[in-house]
Amino acid sequence: GIQVEQSPPDLILQEGANSTLRCNFSDSVNNLQWFHQNPWGQLINLFYIPSGTKQNGRLSATTVATERYSLLYISSSQTTDSGVYFCASNTGNQFYFGTGTSLTVIP
Amino acid sequence: DAEITQSPRHKITETGRQVTLACHQTWNHNNMFWYRQDLGHGLRLIHYSYGVQDTNKGEVSDGYSVSRSNTEDLPLTLESAASSQTSVYFCASSAGQNNSPLHFGNGTRLTVT
Repeated sequence: GIQVEQSPPDLILQEGANSTLRCNFSDSVNNLQWFHQNPWGQLINLFYIPSGTKQNGRLSATTVATERYSLLYISSSQTTDSGVYFCASNTGNQFYFGTGTSLTVIP
Repeated sequence: DAEITQSPRHKITETGRQVTLACHQTWNHNNMFWYRQDLGHGLRLIHYSYGVQDTNKGEVSDGYSVSRSNTEDLPLTLESAASSQTSVYFCASSAGQNNSPLHFGNGTRLTVT
């Protein structure tokens, strides 16, 4: 299967700071998704982004499929951004997950 | 709005008992998946289904079974619960085409004592 690596594994930010999370994948994929797992354990879809750039408020994501990576940008971070961010890629019907970036935003 | 509903949200059971976790989706998706999430292991695939009457083993399928009798439901059964199966279980679904996103339920926290 596809190997998915995320970096950094842990990140601590002061509220208001910006950050970039990275996801590398080992092979060509049909799809790349970013999820946020909030402190209550819910997995929330952030972006479905097989290629290009998308923005949603303070969050944006860019996937460069030819170079096999995706970036998630968080601007002006808030305490509610805390949690674990996962990326997942798929080929065919199978999804492969990274081990996540744990983000803590300090007030 | 379409959604995936998992029940129960929390379950405590004893070693050796049979347990079934329910997953019901209203997306009308062909593909359904069960994952378990443990500290240090991320999300690991237990079983998956690409349609009615289709089931497949994932990377951690030992001790688990699923059945798919209709599009909406994929119940996960632990035949004889073990303490190693204490975990958070997530059900997910996708439409089945190559470019269809994955959607998750809210999870079931299972404790085996």
